[in-house]
Amino acid sequence: ETGVTQTPRHLVMGMTNKKSLKCEQHLGHNAMYWYKQSAKKPLELMFVYNFKEQTENNSVPSRFSPECPNSSHLFLHLHTLQPEDSALYLCASSPRVQRGPYTDTQYFGPGTRLTVL
Amino acid sequence: AQSVTQLDSQVPVFEEAPVELRCNYSSSVSVYLFWYVQYPNQGLQLLLKYLSGSTLVKGINGFEAEFNKSQTSFHLRKPSVHISDTAEYFCAVGTQGGKLIFGQGTELSVKP
Repeated sequence: ETGVTQTPRHLVMGMTNKKSLKCEQHLGHNAMYWYKQSAKKPLELMFVYNFKEQTENNSVPSRFSPECPNSSHLFLHLHTLQPEDSALYLCASSPRVQRGPYTDTQYFGPGTRLTVL
Repeated sequence: AQSVTQLDSQVPVFEEAPVELRCNYSSSVSVYLFWYVQYPNQGLQLLLKYLSGSTLVKGINGFEAEFNKSQTSFHLRKPSVHISDTAEYFCAVGTQGGKLIFGQGTELSVKP
């Protein structure tokens, strides 16, 4: 496999369920990102990991819990979600998180379409 | 703080016509600008990026964009579109800490 893969592609869950989204990158990158894409809204950055360390949590509710066991894998653990959490969740990777204003190109996976009932 | 405004939420055009998708940004630091495309049921794919140097940037699939510092714009253009260009297009500005700030997207619909 090449690029950034995400599983599952579609997920339907109840508000009391616990589920996890998985992202894997095959690009040799060291930075990984979770974004939320809701209808008619700009992409919202949720979390950033650089060399397995979380460097950004964009005020995300605690019902979303990220995990980055190594530079190639990123998980998003979900529990007690709300219907408004229904969205497309996109994972991305880049070579690294730069210290200055320069931004590396980010490479995106196909996303997981999440529906919360 | 950086921000991005895409001026048109939807742009319908006929096949083989030219198209321009507009993007304005605000930034107080060095500017790094990107255009991404999202085809139905897919993730985002990089079309082109401006980091420095020539203000005219050429990307994939015949797209190009021009960085205009005085007008704080980074409009995307293609001289002749195809049905396969139907997709959503996102302009983004890079910011501190490797983050991207995205616009709301422009839905390009190419009709035969």
